[in-house]
Amino acid sequence: EDQVTQSPEALRLQEGESSSLNCSYTVSGLRGLFWYRQDPGKGPEFLFTLYSAGEEKEKERLKATLTKKESFLHITAPKPEDSATYLCAVQADAGGTSYGKLTFGQGTILTVHP
Amino acid sequence: EAQVTQNPRYLITVTGKKLTVTCSQNMNHEYMSWYRQDPGLGLRQIYYSMNVEVTDKGDVPEGYKVSRKEKRNFPLILESPSPNQTSLYFCASSSPGQGRNIQYFGAGTRLSVL
Repeated sequence: EDQVTQSPEALRLQEGESSSLNCSYTVSGLRGLFWYRQDPGKGPEFLFTLYSAGEEKEKERLKATLTKKESFLHITAPKPEDSATYLCAVQADAGGTSYGKLTFGQGTILTVHP
Repeated sequence: EAQVTQNPRYLITVTGKKLTVTCSQNMNHEYMSWYRQDPGLGLRQIYYSMNVEVTDKGDVPEGYKVSRKEKRNFPLILESPSPNQTSLYFCASSSPGQGRNIQYFGAGTRLSVL
């Protein structure tokens, strides 16, 4: 069974204080690992996809990295507008029908204070 | 504008009264999914569809039905809703083309079953 565990559950930062969110996963074979951002009352918004260990993706103050067991979302010099819930999800490489299946972690609630 | 549209956004109903939540996408995506999001449990997949007339169960399918008669629409049906189906529901769509399968989410439907 695919499993995704995110830590910490909640993270409070001061503006400009860099940190990292963790996503540990167990999957039979990884097709892709996804990071999403979710604002209160809204649907998840896609940030990154990572496909293989060693891969990195960057977007503004965010950088996602991937190893064979976990992914990190690094936030450099965060601003209050980065406050949101960050979700990690994995897609297993388990045959054609598995393309539609995503397993999500419970998310990390990030709060950035000015 | 590319989007996934869910209706209604908010719904209050009573136990046993059949309801349908509609989902439509305008991106010509093959895959569509339904998720529910509950505090402490995260996003869990209910059903997904790989294409017209092709559906499969996700992690929590009990009490739900789906149909995919057209590529753009994927309604979620609760034949006899119960209070434990009170939740925030999201529809998503994606396409596996070019090796990418990024799921794009709707804005959500908040359902309360009394």
